[in-house]
Amino acid sequence: QQPVQSPQAVILREGEDAVINCSSSKALYSVHWYRQKHGEAPVFLMILLKGGEQKGHDKISASFNEKKQQSSLYLTASQLSYSGTYFCGTTTYFSGGYNKLIFGAGTRLAVHP
Amino acid sequence: KAGVTQTPRYLIKTRGQQVTLSCSPISGHRSVSWYQQTPGQGLQFLFEYFSETQRNKGNFPGRFSGRQFSNSRSEMNVSTLELGDSALYLCASTTSGGENEQFFGPGTRLTVL
Repeated sequence: QQPVQSPQAVILREGEDAVINCSSSKALYSVHWYRQKHGEAPVFLMILLKGGEQKGHDKISASFNEKKQQSSLYLTASQLSYSGTYFCGTTTYFSGGYNKLIFGAGTRLAVHP
Repeated sequence: KAGVTQTPRYLIKTRGQQVTLSCSPISGHRSVSWYQQTPGQGLQFLFEYFSETQRNKGNFPGRFSGRQFSNSRSEMNVSTLELGDSALYLCASTTSGGENEQFFGPGTRLTVL
């Protein structure tokens, strides 16, 4: 079942903060966050694992609430380059294997000067 | 380290034809996953190959198939093309396991006329 992302869209001014949420009705093993710009492939941002380990790059942070099966992506002091569509991809214990990512519908983020 | 490469980048076919897309993973990555991206359905998992074996499969008809070679390169084939198959086809490679980052290639844009 597809995870639910919220909000669907966000408009920011440079320097403002944003939070994007991803929730699932199933027990999650991992949550992967990607950013995709128009006409380009999704770019890996962050992976959060059950048990608390977090792997990522860049100046973006995220959290994973295992009890609620929710993850949040925190974008602080946004820059123009943050614009794009953010996707969360999830793996579950019941996906038949760990590399089957089920993606949310995406959150469109636009950062203006 | 070279990234994931996909060929061709663009493809135009007519209904009823078949098509083969190619994906070369990052060196050392043994798992290749394929995804279909459309405006209406978003990012959907097609299948995953690991060590030349299909390890996971999404909910797509049998017209969609794939394979992986001993050098980890993968191909996907779509037979009897339909208009609805028009999409961006993305492949992603990873070392192994959902606890690792999946890196996407640039995609193949398939248009079915």
